[in-house]
Amino acid sequence: QMQLQESGPGLVKPSETLSLTCTVSGGSISSYYWSWIRQPPGKGLEWIGYLYYSASTNYGSTNYSPSLKSRVTISVDTSKNQFSLRLSSVTAADTAVYYCARGNYDVLTGPWGQGTLVTVSS
Amino acid sequence: EIVLTQSPGTLSLSPGERATLSCRASQSVSSSYLAWYQQKPGQAPRVLIYGASTRATGIPDRFSGSGSGTDFTLTISRLEPEDFAVYYCQQFGSSLLTFGGGTKVEIK
Repeated sequence: QMQLQESGPGLVKPSETLSLTCTVSGGSISSYYWSWIRQPPGKGLEWIGYLYYSASTNYGSTNYSPSLKSRVTISVDTSKNQFSLRLSSVTAADTAVYYCARGNYDVLTGPWGQGTLVTVSS
Repeated sequence: EIVLTQSPGTLSLSPGERATLSCRASQSVSSSYLAWYQQKPGQAPRVLIYGASTRATGIPDRFSGSGSGTDFTLTISRLEPEDFAVYYCQQFGSSLLTFGGGTKVEIK
């Protein structure tokens, strides 16, 4: 059974770069859409972006939310079956629980990671 | 970018009652690309419905989705204790995924 697990620092200073990794176990990272989603404390869900990778064609693509596009990079490490999120120039508004999830291009079918809280504070 | 507005913000009902949740889009959404999620406290969301009306694997048939264009509905026919949670609609369009603000279904 496929499982996802987020990892990374729980505290990031303002203006620095938030970096998280999602480790996929129980299946290959190839041929699915891999998303990052975040949820500020007590608030709703915000899709950050996704990455698609196909090992058979060695093709990959990314797509990001317009509101975050200038600060976001999602990348894949196939050797480790992981994908990563980098969000630059963070502010307190980026404090949230960050989830990784598998899906298709149009829906987050799951599984999801358990989520990791990242706090932006000096 | 399509904006999804969910109503009501909070729905107070008793177990056994019927819940009707609304999701309204600022522009027409293809029915193929409207999904509903359930989130319980401290847990990640899980998909209930996709394609506006198709139940995801393992989802009980008391959950149903309907609608088209700009108006979509999630109905829970008879609330079970485990159904009290927050529900989000989500659409896909112009290569973007966007969520509604959520409806909390709480015990009356």
